[in-house]
Amino acid sequence: GAVVSQHPSWVICKSGTSVKIECRSLDFQATTMFWYRQFPKQSLMLMATSNEGSKATYEQGVEKDKFLINHASLTLSTLTVTSAHPEDSSFYICSATPLLHSLSYEQYFGPGTRLTVT
Amino acid sequence: RKEVEQDPGPFNVPEGATVAFNCTYSNSASQSFFWYRQDCRKEPKLLMSVYSSGNEDGRFTAQLNRASQYISLLIRDSKLSDSATYLCVVNPAGGTSYGKLTFGQGTILTVHP
Repeated sequence: GAVVSQHPSWVICKSGTSVKIECRSLDFQATTMFWYRQFPKQSLMLMATSNEGSKATYEQGVEKDKFLINHASLTLSTLTVTSAHPEDSSFYICSATPLLHSLSYEQYFGPGTRLTVT
Repeated sequence: RKEVEQDPGPFNVPEGATVAFNCTYSNSASQSFFWYRQDCRKEPKLLMSVYSSGNEDGRFTAQLNRASQYISLLIRDSKLSDSATYLCVVNPAGGTSYGKLTFGQGTILTVHP
């Protein structure tokens, strides 16, 4: 149980285009999902906290107009990188906390999406 | 000072060796502590939670010292399959930090034959 999927697993796009990444909890409901970014040889950095039915909370230094997050249901959150540039190339990973476990801090991670902007 | 600090390594050890990783955290009010494992180009996977009383899972032992704000992971009888990056992860205290995880930079372990 507690499987999180991401789509696509990798994407190459041209500079200036927008890319949408989906994060789904397959066998559980999640009121909260988290979006992370990981650059090569660095650790995961939290970008934003996505709450179902409300606006996402962004970490300091993350542009909310550039990284659009929509958490429309208890099983789906999307991250759209708008007007992508080469410096946005990174490994984007989502995680989800099961609704029934909301009092714990256990998170289940998706397999990640590798974005390359040319 | 980083919120979570780890020795990045790399640690290169032979099979069967015992290896220990250390981690310190800056927020004394932090609530929960974990060790995650991340293989190359993959997502992190939870290895174990860390409790004040210390806990063991097979060859892995985790310790927490709240007074020193220090976390450790001990791996006994290393296997080739233990080669990975080990991430020290902390849940910061309360308020808007609820549910958030802060990751250390990771310690690279390579176990060789």
